[in-house]
Amino acid sequence: EVVMTQSPVTLSVFPGEEATVSCRASQSISNNLAWFQQKPGQAPRLLLYDASTRATGTPARFSGSGSGTEFILTISSLQSEDCAVYYCQQYDKWPLHFGQGTKLEIK
Amino acid sequence: QVQLVESGGGVVQPGESLRLSCAASGFTFSHYGMNWVRQAPGKGLEWVAFIYYDGSTKYYIESVKGRFSISRDNSKNTLYLEMNSLGIDDTAVYYCAKQGYRPVDYLDSWGQGTLVTVSS
Repeated sequence: EVVMTQSPVTLSVFPGEEATVSCRASQSISNNLAWFQQKPGQAPRLLLYDASTRATGTPARFSGSGSGTEFILTISSLQSEDCAVYYCQQYDKWPLHFGQGTKLEIK
Repeated sequence: QVQLVESGGGVVQPGESLRLSCAASGFTFSHYGMNWVRQAPGKGLEWVAFIYYDGSTKYYIESVKGRFSISRDNSKNTLYLEMNSLGIDDTAVYYCAKQGYRPVDYLDSWGQGTLVTVSS
């Protein structure tokens, strides 16, 4: 079973600044990693897949990098609407596993 | 556009059963694997079950094996989750999610979820 670990748990950033979320896999998952955004009361929304490919409708300020076991989600020029919980998820092997989530707060 | 609409949630007592449905539209349902993912109140996301596009292969998280059963009716564009012997820990919002065309793939579309509450 591939376990995903995210850090930090909570992140507080000023508008216009950059936010970085890390995700680590317990074993290599190549680039089979997705990032999701979830706002209160809403379903998760796919942001990135294959570690770095933006899903349809994802703004260019969202970018992803990494492969193997270490991955990063970067949100540049943070906007108030980016306030949400962000999850990474591996889809290299069953069972699928999500990170525990990172809550992004806007200062 | 892809639309997934879950239904069937509700309040049940421990040990009881419930059947969730997910009506799909906007894509060729019979071509894609489908998943159920749940989220306990105030907690993170937990994948629950997967079914292959033709129903031939199914996977479950360990904690629901033998209790939950995923199925699909491609003629009705509908995904199901039969849940038996429900426990308090099964309380969650249950989402159905479509995945890409690969056997294991990212979840590209989600429904709005249906709440299952297990309480005595």
